[in-house]
Amino acid sequence: GGIITQTPKFLIGQEGQKLTLKCQQNFNHDTMYWYRQDSGKGLRLIYYSITENDLQKGDLSEGYDASREKKSSFSLTVTSAQKNEMAVFLCASSIVGTGDEQYFGPGTRLTVL
Amino acid sequence: AQSVTQPDARVTVSEGASLQLRCKYSYSGTPYLFWYVQYPRQGLQLLLKYYSGDPVVQGVNGFEAEFSKSNSSFHLRKASVHWSDSAVYFCVLSATGNYKYVFGAGTRLKVIA
Repeated sequence: GGIITQTPKFLIGQEGQKLTLKCQQNFNHDTMYWYRQDSGKGLRLIYYSITENDLQKGDLSEGYDASREKKSSFSLTVTSAQKNEMAVFLCASSIVGTGDEQYFGPGTRLTVL
Repeated sequence: AQSVTQPDARVTVSEGASLQLRCKYSYSGTPYLFWYVQYPRQGLQLLLKYYSGDPVVQGVNGFEAEFSKSNSSFHLRKASVHWSDSAVYFCVLSATGNYKYVFGAGTRLKVIA
């Protein structure tokens, strides 16, 4: 079996700060995803990547950048944190996509003061 | 465009009772459909998946779901719930040839003694 690791587990930032979240997977999956989960809501796609060095915008990409320099890792940057923002960011991977099972990490909980 | 609706934000059932969580989708083609469960402070885990064949699919921990093309539904069922089933359940759709997954808003299940 494999695992998805997200770091850090908790992230506290200041308004306007640039913040980076990291995700590593050892499944050897091609496709990786970043989702944002707000309390009481479903997951919204921020970015996804179908292979190393590929980046595709999701529905919520404004205010975020992403990077996939290795097959096993996918980073997300909040370019300017918004005050009072609180959300959980979930990383996922799948073998290819299109109907494959997604495997999720435990999440990074962001708080902006 | 595809969409997933979970009409019940919260469901409370007694331990040992039967359960049905509702999911309606909108997609003109044949979708891949999933149910995922999220336990507190964890990532999502797959319960079951459907693409074609028998409309009733079996999943882990005694869960099953029934696909209905005529009703555009994919309801999740369990014959007898346990307190450990308390979690948030997400219905998810993937369209053929599309890397994106569309999530419902989730149903929070509470199992009481």
